[in-house]
Amino acid sequence: DIQMTQSPSSLSTSVGDRVTITCQASQDISSYLNWFQHKPGKAPKLLIYDATSLETGVPSRFSGSGSGTEFTFTINSLQPEDIATYYCQQYANVPLTFGGGTKLEIK
Amino acid sequence: EVQLVESGGGVVQPGRSLRLSCTTSGFTFGDFVMSWFRQAPGKGLEWVGFIRNKAKGETTDYAAPVKGRFTISRDDSKSIAYLEMNNLKTEDTAVYYCTRGYSSIWGQGILVAVSS
Repeated sequence: DIQMTQSPSSLSTSVGDRVTITCQASQDISSYLNWFQHKPGKAPKLLIYDATSLETGVPSRFSGSGSGTEFTFTINSLQPEDIATYYCQQYANVPLTFGGGTKLEIK
Repeated sequence: EVQLVESGGGVVQPGRSLRLSCTTSGFTFGDFVMSWFRQAPGKGLEWVGFIRNKAKGETTDYAAPVKGRFTISRDDSKSIAYLEMNNLKTEDTAVYYCTRGYSSIWGQGILVAVSS
């Protein structure tokens, strides 16, 4: 199984901050990586697919980079509605696996 | 508008069975893989399994913790995907989500609680 190591597990941030989350795969997954936003009681929302592609309708302050084993997710100028938990997920191989999540909190 | 609505959850005793349904609309159901995921209380997201479309033989794959106990099926005429869960264990307690494709669009989720 491919292990996804996501960091940090939590982050205290302020509105307007730039937020960076990293995800490391235990083996090469090319660009088969998604980034999701998950708010309590809501459906997870796909933000980035294929490591760098922005899902339709997602604000451009969200972005993704990387390939192979090292990936980065960035929120430029954090907005109050961005407070959520974020997950990376690989879909290169079965079983599909997720990072442990990054919970954003407001300072 | 694409919609996925899970139903059939609830409280069930260990060892019993439950069937979840994922009723969809707004897209050509038969063209897509349908997947199931879950989130146990206080835990992260976990893949359960998926079923490919008819063109790919409606083949299935499952996560190790549920293989042999859970079965995913689909009814393209009704645009519904199913998750049949047998021999349920307390560790299966979670919110279960269905998704279009491998994980592009998610339903709101349904709670399954396994408890005596």
